[in-house]
Amino acid sequence: TQLLEQSPQFLSIQEGENLTVYCNSSSVFSSLQWYRQEPGEGPVLLVTVVTGGEVKKLKRLTFQFGDARKDSSLHITAAQPGDTGLYLCAGDKAAGNKLTFGGGTRVLVKP
Amino acid sequence: NAGVMQNPRHLVRRRGQEARLRCSPMKGHSHVYWYRQLPEEGLKFMVYLQKENIIDESGMPKERFSAEFPKEGPSILRIQQVVRGDSAAYFCASSPLGTDNSPLHFGNGTRLTVT
Repeated sequence: TQLLEQSPQFLSIQEGENLTVYCNSSSVFSSLQWYRQEPGEGPVLLVTVVTGGEVKKLKRLTFQFGDARKDSSLHITAAQPGDTGLYLCAGDKAAGNKLTFGGGTRVLVKP
Repeated sequence: NAGVMQNPRHLVRRRGQEARLRCSPMKGHSHVYWYRQLPEEGLKFMVYLQKENIIDESGMPKERFSAEFPKEGPSILRIQQVVRGDSAAYFCASSPLGTDNSPLHFGNGTRLTVT
């Protein structure tokens, strides 16, 4: 059983559309991180959210941490083919970077 | 400024052989983490090491798996007597501090295939 559940598992959209990826848990995390992973490469950190209710923006990407620090979402506005990849959320339970990863959401943006 | 370097990128082993995976952390990073990624799954924590010390190995199978991070040289993840279920991508990450929220920098992984 995944401690962090990501949904959807797979998302295929047209260029210019918006998308949202969800990361849910019944556990509280001290922080939550979002990564993007390209095929054949390691995950690359996009953002870390720490405070309940926090919203962070990174160009067309908006990240939100739930008030209770149990869930998070990633919203991409006007998606581009370059946004294609595997998006992973990872929670930290104040255990020194021992991260719990979600199962990932594979995003495909078609031109 | 080189990132986290892992080698080999691909490793094929027959059942029963040993696999050695190497990880050189980023310059100045003394904290190393190993994660395993099975096909179509997220990453699972295996072990956390500092120089010459294993800090947390709670995610590593008790048998056949071992890890070290010597004073000199790369961190090594060693799998003895490999089985087909060990086939996975093994990622190493490093950070300058072992505290929460200290950014993790991942290598590009070693893909182990057991035939």
